[in-house]
Amino acid sequence: DQQVKQNSPSLSVQEGRISILNCDYTNSMFDYFLWYKKYPAEGPTFLISISSIKDKNEDGRFTVFLNKSAKHLSLHIVPSQPGDSAVYFCAASAPEGAQKLVFGQGTRLTINP
Amino acid sequence: NAGVMQNPRHLVRRRGQEARLRCSPMKGHSHVYWYRQLPEEGLKFMVYLQKENIIDESGMPKERFSAEFPKEGPSILRIQQVVRGDSAAYFCASSLGQANQPQHFGDGTRLSIL
Repeated sequence: DQQVKQNSPSLSVQEGRISILNCDYTNSMFDYFLWYKKYPAEGPTFLISISSIKDKNEDGRFTVFLNKSAKHLSLHIVPSQPGDSAVYFCAASAPEGAQKLVFGQGTRLTINP
Repeated sequence: NAGVMQNPRHLVRRRGQEARLRCSPMKGHSHVYWYRQLPEEGLKFMVYLQKENIIDESGMPKERFSAEFPKEGPSILRIQQVVRGDSAAYFCASSLGQANQPQHFGDGTRLSIL
């Protein structure tokens, strides 16, 4: 039962343009959502998060949007830079879940010069 | 380095041996989580511990796997009698334990079973 889904295994974007990564979830009890970035042979690095009481959170080039009715969140990166090339994971947690994170399968983002 | 420290980074074991993976949380963090990542998949939760207590082990296989976080020293994930299917990257994360606070990850231990 995949409660968090990232349906695009890969995404290719030109440098300077906007990258949009998508994530869908099925568990309506999720109330906290995070995006992590992962380089090969390294651990996931926390990027940005959003709680369910908000629909948008922004930090520099990164913005996360949450649509609770559609059970959908997205990460916007603008402008995209070569160093953004990595695998991006969305994750979610629920209050009754003892803070354990449920991860999507990841989307590999490639920024082309 | 005040980040989450995991060792070893790579561990090779033969079938039937024991594997011990260690994790020191970020300074100030007393909540530790272990996750496993199989190739081309996302991370899967295994266990959540606080000092000397297992809070949630719902993701741990029922046999051969155990975890501890003693009063002193790192958290240990122990896999007894390893099998080929245990080959994976094992990641540890730590947090302050408060609601809506991110978990911060170490660089993982890559376990290979011969």
